[in-house]
Amino acid sequence: EAQVTQNPRYLITVTGKKLTVTCSQNMNHEYMSWYRQDPGLGLRQIYYSMNVEVTDKGDVPEGYKVSRKEKRNFPLILESPSPNQTSLYFCASSFSPKRSPLHFGNGTRLTVT
Amino acid sequence: AQTVTQSQPEMSVQEAETVTLSCTYDTSESDYYLFWYKQPPSRQMILVIRQEAYKQQNATENRFSVNFQKAAKSFSLKISDSQLGDAAMYFCAYRSHDDSGGGADGLTFGKGTHLIIQP
Repeated sequence: EAQVTQNPRYLITVTGKKLTVTCSQNMNHEYMSWYRQDPGLGLRQIYYSMNVEVTDKGDVPEGYKVSRKEKRNFPLILESPSPNQTSLYFCASSFSPKRSPLHFGNGTRLTVT
Repeated sequence: AQTVTQSQPEMSVQEAETVTLSCTYDTSESDYYLFWYKQPPSRQMILVIRQEAYKQQNATENRFSVNFQKAAKSFSLKISDSQLGDAAMYFCAYRSHDDSGGGADGLTFGKGTHLIIQP
């Protein structure tokens, strides 16, 4: 089944403790992206990747890192999480950056205390 | 920069009735894509319908249809014969068609409309 898989679905952590949210897609998509969703703000892009080893900042990249060493994986790294990063995170992928619809993962609910 | 506005934070409709969710956007581009995504309580983001700006015909997917008014920069979603399973957050999204140069995917979301279905 074609899908975007995020793990974990729920994560509670403390300020400053490094964490990684994994994202994997099995559709051979070149383009992958991370969003965060906050009440009243919709979805905002954090980082995106056009292909392996090619990443770039979205609208809200501060406090986040990403890597794209393989086509299928695009982990989101929070080196020193802070409470303002408490949010719902989505990974998404598509064949091309703009010509095809995004396929979303099921989301990761992160709470930083 | 493009902006997407959903002016209705919440809408309520009786089961089996028709409801229209509004979306307006601002862009200087002539070619682009517009989407409606549904987010049920499970949090999954589900693509409902997609419209390409160069196509004059309004997109339709079963009970879901859009009213695309390019000159007015309006992209409303009509849900006919509303069902309890339609209850969700609905997000309107804009995506640039321009693949040239660097830059993000150009996907800009509205803030969402919470749709409630009254049984």
